[in-house]
Amino acid sequence: ETGVTQTPRHLVMGMTNKKSLKCEQHLGHNAMYWYKQSAKKPLELMFVYNFKEQTENNSVPSRFSPECPNSSHLFLHLHTLQPEDSALYLCASSQEGSLSGNTIYFGEGSWLTVV
Amino acid sequence: GENVEQHPSTLSVQEGDSAVIKCTYSDSASNYFPWYKQELGKGPQLIIDIRSNVGEKKDQRIAVTLNKTAKHFSLHITETQPEDSAVYFCAAIPNTGGFKTIFGAGTRLFVKA
Repeated sequence: ETGVTQTPRHLVMGMTNKKSLKCEQHLGHNAMYWYKQSAKKPLELMFVYNFKEQTENNSVPSRFSPECPNSSHLFLHLHTLQPEDSALYLCASSQEGSLSGNTIYFGEGSWLTVV
Repeated sequence: GENVEQHPSTLSVQEGDSAVIKCTYSDSASNYFPWYKQELGKGPQLIIDIRSNVGEKKDQRIAVTLNKTAKHFSLHITETQPEDSAVYFCAAIPNTGGFKTIFGAGTRLFVKA
């Protein structure tokens, strides 16, 4: 149990589908993240939300649309994806401004396959 | 831009031997260095961390060392066991925020029984 829960764990979708990934953190943190992890590539930061406000968007295509209704929940809405978007999508959270050094805690990830 | 280089990309050791993974960072503002272990099918999990005011930290079989002058930090695993097999990531974080975390590319460690 990591304190960061992601659903679904596995998702297969067609290129014309619309789906969403969900993340919930139970750590009382104020920042939440989406990362993309592809085979043989470093972790890629996609979005950052701090106190529900988006603070980072690393040039992510508009077919990925994040939503953060509160500090505990984060969504990633997916539509008209491409096969190269197949990857492990990791949600994470941290307590910004704390003495703990802003440690990032990850969920178990959502494996996405686009067919 | 800021960068963290991690070596080696793959490491194979015999059970009971030691394993060392090294990282180099470029941003002199980095002051916090966590290490993550990612097992197959799971997300990265924090295993140990070190701050810039400390040169070494140890937790049972794992230890981390930091050389701020050279901007190097290393993970040491002693008496390796098959369950240590995983991908290990280093990271460097400045005090400006976790969203500035820079991760290394990862090291795949194989421990042969």
